Amino acid sequence: ETGVTQTPRHLVMGMTNKKSLKCEQHLGHNAMYWYKQSAKKPLELMFVYSLEERVENNSVPSRFSPECPNSSHLFLHLHTLQPEDSALYLCASSQVDSSHWGYTFGSGTRLTVV
Amino acid sequence: ILNVEQSPQSLHVQEGDSTNFTCSFPSSNFYALHWYRWETAKSPEALFVMTLNGDEKKKGRISATLNTKEGYSYLYIKGSQPEDSATYLCAFRITGNQFYFGTGTSLTVIP
Repeated sequence: ETGVTQTPRHLVMGMTNKKSLKCEQHLGHNAMYWYKQSAKKPLELMFVYSLEERVENNSVPSRFSPECPNSSHLFLHLHTLQPEDSALYLCASSQVDSSHWGYTFGSGTRLTVV
Repeated sequence: ILNVEQSPQSLHVQEGDSTNFTCSFPSSNFYALHWYRWETAKSPEALFVMTLNGDEKKKGRISATLNTKEGYSYLYIKGSQPEDSATYLCAFRITGNQFYFGTGTSLTVIP
């Protein structure tokens, strides 16, 4: 366990469903991130929350909607997804005011859209 | 979008062999280079953070070097063991908060 917990580990959903991914960190970090990993592609940054404010949204379709209610929790709400959205979704956290900070990652949610 | 390339994409080595792979990144706006080790079904785990040209870091049998002027970092594994089997990711960081990841090198160590 890294201190960043993601649930569920696996999710299969239909294109008309609504579901949410959850991420929780108890490391006292002040920033949280959603990344998408598709096969044979680099990790792709989706959203960044720093001090609970969204500071980055990398042209992600509106069918993905993040929520950060506090510094320890991050959600990714999913609705009317497409099969090409099937991927591994990784959450990460960091302490951005420390020098040369890096990420602590969760284990990811493997999403399959059918 | 900045291009971070890792090579080879995958390799298989025999237990006991030493191996190395490369991360190439743009040489401008360099801030830091991170290496992660990612085992299947687990979280990517931080190995090294490298910041200075000529940096060398070591953790057990794994070491890394950094050349910021030519834009590359090498990761070396001495005497590979089956438990070293994983994907090794590098991430290039420019000033600010933005990280750019490579696609990883998948290492399989055959007993």
